Amino acid sequence: DGGITQSPKYLFRKEGQNVTLSCEQNLNHDAMYWYRQDPGQGLRLIYYSQIVNDFQKGDIAEGYSVSREKKESFPLTVTSAQKNPTAFYLCASTVRHEQFFGPGTRLTVL
Amino acid sequence: DAKTTQPPSMDCAEGRAANLPCNHSTISGNEYVYWYRQIHSQGPQYIIHGLKNNETNEMASLIITEDRKSSTLILPHATLRDTAVYYCTPHSRSTEAYGQNFVFGPGTRLSVLP
Repeated sequence: DGGITQSPKYLFRKEGQNVTLSCEQNLNHDAMYWYRQDPGQGLRLIYYSQIVNDFQKGDIAEGYSVSREKKESFPLTVTSAQKNPTAFYLCASTVRHEQFFGPGTRLTVL
Repeated sequence: DAKTTQPPSMDCAEGRAANLPCNHSTISGNEYVYWYRQIHSQGPQYIIHGLKNNETNEMASLIITEDRKSSTLILPHATLRDTAVYYCTPHSRSTEAYGQNFVFGPGTRLSVLP
C-alpha cells in the first residue's frame, strides 16, 4: 500500500528533552510538510521541503528542526527550545496539487 | 488573515443530507476550492475540489456560487462515520503553486446524530 507513515502514534517526553518524530512516504512525492495542530485549531505549518537536501521554515519553526536526506523521509525534531510542544503533529506530502496526510503523532510533554 | 469562514459546529441527523457552508470571498481567479475532513486523532482526508462548476464524487457534492465567494459541501446521506471536522481551503493549481502547502483554518465540526 502506498502512503505516509508516522511513528510513534503517541509519544511522551520529559520537559527539557529533544524528541524526533518520524515521517516516511512511499508515494515518490517531492514535497513534504510538517504541521502542528492544537485542540480545536486548524493546522499550522512548521517546516516544509520541496526537494531532497532542501527545506524551508513555515509559520512556527522556532524550537523545531528537520532534515531531508532522502526523498522518502522527513523527520522532525522537537527541541527543548520549544516552550509548548504538547500537540498533535501531522506530516504530509504533495504531488502537483494534491496533499496527502499521515495518521499523526500525539506528543505529550510531562 | 483567515482566507475562509466556516461555522464552528453543525449537527445533522443520520440519513439526512449534511450541508456545510464556506465563505471564501477573497478567493483568487486561479484558486480551486478544496474540501478535506479530519476524523478525530487522524490525518485530514481529501474529499473533493472544484473551480466554478458543481462537482460530485462518491463521497460528496460541491456547490460553488456563481461569484465563487462561497461554496457548500453536501453529504447526501450522512452516517455516524461522517462525524468529523470539515475544512474548506482555496488552493491554486497553477504551475507556480506546485507543491505549495494547504492552509487549514479551524473548520466545521459536524456531529451526525443517531
